[in-house]
Amino acid sequence: GAVVSQHPSWVICKSGTSVKIECRSLDFQATTMFWYRQFPKQSLMLMATSNEGSKATYEQGVEKDKFLINHASLTLSTLTVTSAHPEDSSFYICSALVVGPGELFFGEGSRLTVL
Amino acid sequence: QKEVEQNSGPLSVPEGAIASLNCTYSDRGSQSFFWYRQYSGKSPELIMFIYSNGDKEDGRFTAQLNKASQYVSLLIRDSQPSDSATYLCAATNTGNQFYFGTGTSLTVIP
Repeated sequence: GAVVSQHPSWVICKSGTSVKIECRSLDFQATTMFWYRQFPKQSLMLMATSNEGSKATYEQGVEKDKFLINHASLTLSTLTVTSAHPEDSSFYICSALVVGPGELFFGEGSRLTVL
Repeated sequence: QKEVEQNSGPLSVPEGAIASLNCTYSDRGSQSFFWYRQYSGKSPELIMFIYSNGDKEDGRFTAQLNKASQYVSLLIRDSQPSDSATYLCAATNTGNQFYFGTGTSLTVIP
């Protein structure tokens, strides 16, 4: 299947700092990428839909000024958690849509711990 | 009403048995359906997808779709302990929005 790479896979930061997570489609172009958050033993929660060249669409309750999403190219979307706080500690996962077959592939996930 | 619903389980089956995972969806416009496996602490990985009524087989996995009943299932034959994971069902209508169930936890007992 298609390969989606996330980086970093694990990050620890101090409260108040900003963290950027990258999501890359390695062998295909992805016009649409999705960002999810998952707390331990809970289901995936869609945060936003990222479309190349346009503003992301955020789900209700997700602060767009806190979770900045940029999808500047067909192979890269970034999520920046600004002024991170301990409650932002979570597993962040991106996915990319393969146009045509309409299949969705996930990155490996990025585990964020805010101290 | 949730778009996609799954029994959260946990579902336990003995090694070698058939595990049956079920999913229902509410949007009749849904076109494609996906099954993902997620191990603890890892991201979901695609097992298979289905968009036509009937069965689709891939190795030990069989996906079944019944659009009239708005029902999708995944059968795992000859279950192995390595199949123990959470299985997520997803549906999409336009291909731009994917709705995930909350997942069913499966444990295969050696």
